[in-house]
Amino acid sequence: DAKTTQPPSMDCAEGRAANLPCNHSTISGNEYVYWYRQIHSQGPQYIIHGLKNNETNEMASLIITEDRKSSTLILPHATLRDTAVYYCIVRVPLNTGNQFYFGTGTSLTVIP
Amino acid sequence: SAVISQKPSRDICQRGTSLTIQCQVDSQVTMMFWYRQQPGQSLTLIATANQGSEATYESGFVIDKFPISRPNLTFSTLTVSNMSPEDSSIYLCSVEDKGLKAFFGQGTRLTVV
Repeated sequence: DAKTTQPPSMDCAEGRAANLPCNHSTISGNEYVYWYRQIHSQGPQYIIHGLKNNETNEMASLIITEDRKSSTLILPHATLRDTAVYYCIVRVPLNTGNQFYFGTGTSLTVIP
Repeated sequence: SAVISQKPSRDICQRGTSLTIQCQVDSQVTMMFWYRQQPGQSLTLIATANQGSEATYESGFVIDKFPISRPNLTFSTLTVSNMSPEDSSIYLCSVEDKGLKAFFGQGTRLTVV
């Protein structure tokens, strides 16, 4: 069963901020939110992760709502190379180890 | 960060045969994961592989179809057995590092004819 829901596709103008939403309404208190992206024919690439607080790194910002039921990935200045499928993921700690459950992903197209 | 190498990168196989996919990591890791990505779909976890113990399979995946080996802390194999065209997918190996990030191989693109 899917732990995250995302819009299937989005467009963004080059140079503008891309805001990608994700719903994870059943997330538990010890489950992290991760974002990965996958460019065609490559393995998924890590972007950012967080638990409760907003996070920022050199690639993106992650905004998590106070109730943790949703989050938004922000690419501040989208470039053509940011065209990819973006996955919002919940990491579930289990006895056998942490498991990453992928959502259906959002296909982001950056338009010149 | 962990560097993961998968072999083969792609293969075309006859139905009824088996293919073994290798995953090599450049550092020792406790857990290794195998995913399947069907055409146009997201990633689905097949199983979690611990060194020295049986792999743990997700619902819908069984050991007879996807046997996994984990002989040491840097290597694992996934076999896709008795293949049919429905097994045509990308198979990806993944590990989690101490920084709580998951790293993925480039995948093995399997086509069954």
